[in-house]
Amino acid sequence: GDSVTQMEGPVTLSEEAFLTINCTYTATGYPSLFWYVQYPGEGLQLLLKATKADDKGSNKGFEATYRKETTSFHLEKGSVQVSDSAVYFCALRTDTGRRALTFGSGTRLQVQP
Amino acid sequence: DTAVSQTPKYLVTQMGNDKSIKCEQNLGHDTMYWYKQDSKKFLKIMFSYNNKELIINETVPNRFSPKSPDKAHLNLHINSLELGDSAVYFCASSHRRDRNTIYFGEGSWLTVV
Repeated sequence: GDSVTQMEGPVTLSEEAFLTINCTYTATGYPSLFWYVQYPGEGLQLLLKATKADDKGSNKGFEATYRKETTSFHLEKGSVQVSDSAVYFCALRTDTGRRALTFGSGTRLQVQP
Repeated sequence: DTAVSQTPKYLVTQMGNDKSIKCEQNLGHDTMYWYKQDSKKFLKIMFSYNNKELIINETVPNRFSPKSPDKAHLNLHINSLELGDSAVYFCASSHRRDRNTIYFGEGSWLTVV
């Protein structure tokens, strides 16, 4: 079945540091890949997505590239801010099988001033 | 205007009670979902409805019953609540023209005491 594996957190960084959150996946079929963000006490927001190999999703300074050869979709940001502190979820969806999002376990990011 | 709205946002109730969480979307979407987020932040699909028909029903106790009176609503009824039902429940929706754009509600925090 489909699955998503994320690096365990929490990830603690200082402001303006470089961020990488690793995400790898296993899927039957050709998935679309997503990053969602959950700020404290809030719901899920779509951060970015990529629907085919080599696509780069980007939003708010975050980027992730769909790497089919390594089945990865790592999230990066060049300079994090305190306001980026949240839980980040990698997810996939395929057009076969369940067709619902399959989420990773989430990675908590804490950015210190 | 809120695209996907859930009520109540917070619910504290005793074991054994029956409760409902309501979800409405005003996006004209034809598919709606319920996800459960446990205390470790892990998100998992519970149900999915397409045009009022159940299309995903994961391994969920039959105390949980979704009801879709129309395409814009998907309510979640939970009977005989147990301590382990304490979680955040997220409603979501999408449209067949773009299944990769999925909107989430803000979540309903259920605490069973």
